[in-house]
Amino acid sequence: GAVVSQHPSRVICKSGTSVKIECRSLDFQATTMFWYRQFPKKSLMLMATSNEGSKATYEQGVEKDKFLINHASLTLSTLTVTSAHPEDSSFYICSAAGSDYGYTFGSGTRLTVV
Amino acid sequence: GQQLNQSPQSMFIQEGEDVSMNCTSSSIFNTWLWYKQDPGEGPVLLIALYKAGELTSNGRLTAQFGITRKDSFLNISASIPSDVGIYFCAGQLLNSNSGYALNFGKGTSLLVTP
Repeated sequence: GAVVSQHPSRVICKSGTSVKIECRSLDFQATTMFWYRQFPKKSLMLMATSNEGSKATYEQGVEKDKFLINHASLTLSTLTVTSAHPEDSSFYICSAAGSDYGYTFGSGTRLTVV
Repeated sequence: GQQLNQSPQSMFIQEGEDVSMNCTSSSIFNTWLWYKQDPGEGPVLLIALYKAGELTSNGRLTAQFGITRKDSFLNISASIPSDVGIYFCAGQLLNSNSGYALNFGKGTSLLVTP
């Protein structure tokens, strides 16, 4: 079956630094990857949609300069949180979709900014 | 994105009981999905529904795609302690501005006592 690997699973960083989160589809080609953010006891909130080789489409209210998304290949997308602040602390989850596979989620990244 | 109304918000039941949860929307969806999320993990797909009226089972789980395409339910029969978790419905809108990104319900938190 489809497997999506996301790492790191947990990261703690200092305010003002940048953090990169990777999302890889291990056994299928992901033409589209999605990045979600989840607050405690809340639902998943779509941040952006990225298609391989093109710029990501950001949801309203999501700062594209703060949350940089790169989808350089059919198996890898990265989310970089730039100049992180404590309010960026959250659970970030990626999802990958390919022609033969539906939406498969990564295991998430718990980001804590101190 | 479109908000899905998921209910109940939480359930506290005894092992062996059946569980039912549902999602409704004011918009028409062409796909309904049900996920389970354990703490600190990404959502895992339980059942996918692609046709209006479709009734699909996966072990003790049964889900149906409403005939109006605006609702879906998930039933869990004979619950066991490992059913504990948060269950999310998700729908893919027709003509979504976010391509075919999923819209999520707010989740149903299920607790099962032995």
